Amino acid sequence: DGGITQSPKYLFRKEGQNVTLSCEQNLNHDAMYWYRQDPGQGLRLIYYSQIVNDFQKGDIAEGYSVSREKKESFPLTVTSAQKNPTAFYLCASMGTGTGYEQYFGPGTRLTVT
Amino acid sequence: QKEVEQNSGPLSVPEGAIASLNCTYSDRGSQSFFWYRQYSGKSPELIMSIYSNGDKEDGRFTAQLNKASQYVSLLIRDSQPSDSATYLCASMNRDDKIIFGKGTRLHILP
Repeated sequence: DGGITQSPKYLFRKEGQNVTLSCEQNLNHDAMYWYRQDPGQGLRLIYYSQIVNDFQKGDIAEGYSVSREKKESFPLTVTSAQKNPTAFYLCASMGTGTGYEQYFGPGTRLTVT
Repeated sequence: QKEVEQNSGPLSVPEGAIASLNCTYSDRGSQSFFWYRQYSGKSPELIMSIYSNGDKEDGRFTAQLNKASQYVSLLIRDSQPSDSATYLCASMNRDDKIIFGKGTRLHILP
């Protein structure tokens, strides 16, 4: 089955700890994205990558880091510098020639206490 | 700042009626527009994309685009209780970044 997987579905961490969220896709898409969604809010772009070994900051990159060593994978690290990390994190991918349609993974709900 | 604006709702529509969802966008350079459906606690699901002025129909869904007015809408015919969700409007800007609205909550009344 083609798609985007994110793991884990739920993640609990203590304040001050770094945590890495996984995102894998087997759609052969070039571009991948990380968004954050807070209750009652829209999606805010954290980082995006249009090609392997290259990525750009989105609107709220502070306190986050990413890597894109493989086309299929785009992990997101939430560092202790992120002031309000508790949120729903969504990974998406987009292929060229698909009309710029983005498809989302199931999301990871991170709770930091 | 480039924005996509939607009425947050909730929009309540009787079962079987037409639900009409609207959004406006500020970036005149946007060429691609999308509607996503998001159930509570789930990730957004793409239901329609539209790139040129006019209407695009897919089953019970019709997307409408008016670039002169910078206006996008989604019509849902024969509304079902399973259509109750939050609908996100989005546009793609020239940097290949998608800008999302905050969503309209739709409630279909049985």
